[in-house]
Amino acid sequence: SQQGEEDPQALSIQEGENATMNCSYKTSINNLQWYRQNSGRGLVHLILIRSNEREKHSGRLRVTLDTSKKSSSLLITASRAADTASYFCAGMNTGFQKLVFGTGTRLLVSP
Amino acid sequence: GAGVSQSPRYKVAKRGQDVALRCDPISGHVSLFWYQQALGQGPEFLTYFQNEAQLDKSGLPSDRFFAERPEGSVSTLKIQRTQQEDSAVYLCASSQDTNSNQPQHFGDGTRLSIL
Repeated sequence: SQQGEEDPQALSIQEGENATMNCSYKTSINNLQWYRQNSGRGLVHLILIRSNEREKHSGRLRVTLDTSKKSSSLLITASRAADTASYFCAGMNTGFQKLVFGTGTRLLVSP
Repeated sequence: GAGVSQSPRYKVAKRGQDVALRCDPISGHVSLFWYQQALGQGPEFLTYFQNEAQLDKSGLPSDRFFAERPEGSVSTLKIQRTQQEDSAVYLCASSQDTNSNQPQHFGDGTRLSIL
């Protein structure tokens, strides 16, 4: 079964707006990763934040991690139509090598 | 190749048939993973290889599922006596070594439909 829950399930915004997606997880993690998936394609790694980090930036992406609340957020600034995709958080559980994915957020960015 | 390659991209089989799905990881990648993704859901872990050793198969749904990576590169996921509930996208991923603080690189998956 899925470990993570993501909120919202779907998000529709206009180009130029910011998009925020939230993720909650259940068990202890080494790191939390965010992936993007375009329809019919595989997942593309976006950013990884380690359990001892609180915030990380990469281009237009900003990720936060709160291990006390077992939650993370992904912010995409100045969104573009090309950002339209599903976004998944995934926790790398302590002591294991597998990713445990959330249910995903479907983002639609309209021109 | 530059990325993870999976074949076939689409597979249709009748219930009860056996299927084999292939994954070519990025050259030199030590770790290889198989995931199953149902429609509208996130991927779920099936199994993990470190080189040719299958170190974790806790996610395989039943003994009808079998995976191998005999030479530590190409991997095959085999499903015997397929059932309708096996219909899903099967994703393969690889990562450079065993350091868990590394991204996994995914192929585009095999979409399996069982009739």
